[in-house]
Amino acid sequence: QSALTQPASVSGSPGQSITISCTGTSSDVGAYNYVCWYQQHPGRAPKLTISDVSERPSGVSNRFSGSKSGNTASLTISGLQAEDEADYYCSSYTKSNTWVFGGGTKLTVL
Amino acid sequence: QLYLQESGPGLVRPSETLSLTCSVSGGSIANNNYNWGWIRQPPGEGLEWIGHMYYSGSTYYNPSLKSRVTMSVDTSKNQFSLKLSSVTAADTAVYFCARGNWRNGALEYWGQGTMVTVSS
Repeated sequence: QSALTQPASVSGSPGQSITISCTGTSSDVGAYNYVCWYQQHPGRAPKLTISDVSERPSGVSNRFSGSKSGNTASLTISGLQAEDEADYYCSSYTKSNTWVFGGGTKLTVL
Repeated sequence: QLYLQESGPGLVRPSETLSLTCSVSGGSIANNNYNWGWIRQPPGEGLEWIGHMYYSGSTYYNPSLKSRVTMSVDTSKNQFSLKLSSVTAADTAVYFCARGNWRNGALEYWGQGTMVTVSS
């Protein structure tokens, strides 16, 4: 199975909004609404940020939102804050009953 | 609060078998509402799903690793384990254990990760 495609990096200034895309295929992202997003700070374990394409777990800021269109899912972070600077990974369930991650996107808050 | 903690050798010789254990506290592993899995991250690279299992014994593995991976669960110790055989330098990574939700697969709880280096 091939990794989902994410941009290597994105950046934005505090207060701005950014969007990270996650492109898969009709066998994964396009087939199910089981797309998750994880935030990972350096040296730390990933943290679930979005599940089921657009659901925020308890405790996650409402500045984080998710969506999906066809084979591409997206994570949007509004009102960027310095603490949002991290790596972000998408993941999706696949028709093979397995999971696949994206390659990761480094978010820089300017 | 659920806690997961990985343990195992930090150095494994090439061609040998990597063995890791994840100890779970704050909740029972004997619950089919959750799966128990492993994810790894080579230095400076992204996450790779290795696989997961249910305490009932069902296992699901990454096709690229399937021939070398074995996962098992020990409900008496509230632990689950990973074995990866015939390792090479490409298996050098931080290995995370995690609990996933059976319904949507979301990895809700993670261990802190343990670095495993494959080297002679």
